Amino acid sequence: AQTVTQSQPEMSVQEAETVTLSCTYDTSENNYYLFWYKQPPSRQMILVIRQEAYKQQNATENRFSVNFQKAAKSFSLKISDSQLGDTAMYFCAFMKGASGTYKYIFGTGTRLKVLA
Amino acid sequence: EAQVTQNPRYLITVTGKKLTVTCSQNMNHEYMSWYRQDPGLGLRQIYYSMNVEVTDKGDVPEGYKVSRKEKRNFPLILESPSPNQTSLYFCASSLRFGDSGKLFFGSGTQLSVL
Repeated sequence: AQTVTQSQPEMSVQEAETVTLSCTYDTSENNYYLFWYKQPPSRQMILVIRQEAYKQQNATENRFSVNFQKAAKSFSLKISDSQLGDTAMYFCAFMKGASGTYKYIFGTGTRLKVLA
Repeated sequence: EAQVTQNPRYLITVTGKKLTVTCSQNMNHEYMSWYRQDPGLGLRQIYYSMNVEVTDKGDVPEGYKVSRKEKRNFPLILESPSPNQTSLYFCASSLRFGDSGKLFFGSGTQLSVL
């Protein structure tokens, strides 16, 4: 069974600094998708970034980028130039992309606080 | 506006009293799913649906029912709620599984079972 592990329950970073959130997963699949979702205090779930496993190039969305290491089954999120609005819970998620069981597996989350 | 509408946002009920949480999307999405969020456990999938009349269990389906009679609606039914079902619930939909995988989430339902 697939699992997703986020080993950092809480983190903090100074405004304008860079922070990296870690995520590891376990799967025997070759084709899948990985995601980072953000949940601010409003509790709305917002997609931050997405990575297809078959793509070697790391995904980037403005200040957000990932370090995808397929062999190591690692999918970390780097936030550059942190802003107060980045304060949120961040969830790493795995989704199998081929036919079969269509389940999303989420990690337990990392609560990030950006300090002024 | 493209959205997933979930109701109610807050619900307090008593043990054993049947309830339904509604979920509707206006994006013609085929894939819809339900999750519960608990502190320290993240989001766990309850049920999902690939299309009308096609549903399957997620990781924590016990005590829940779903139905998909129309493409846009995917209600979550708790026939006999118990206190361990107190949680934050999310409905989500996706355009086409395997296409992008991006989930569009509703605004959540905070359920308290006394």
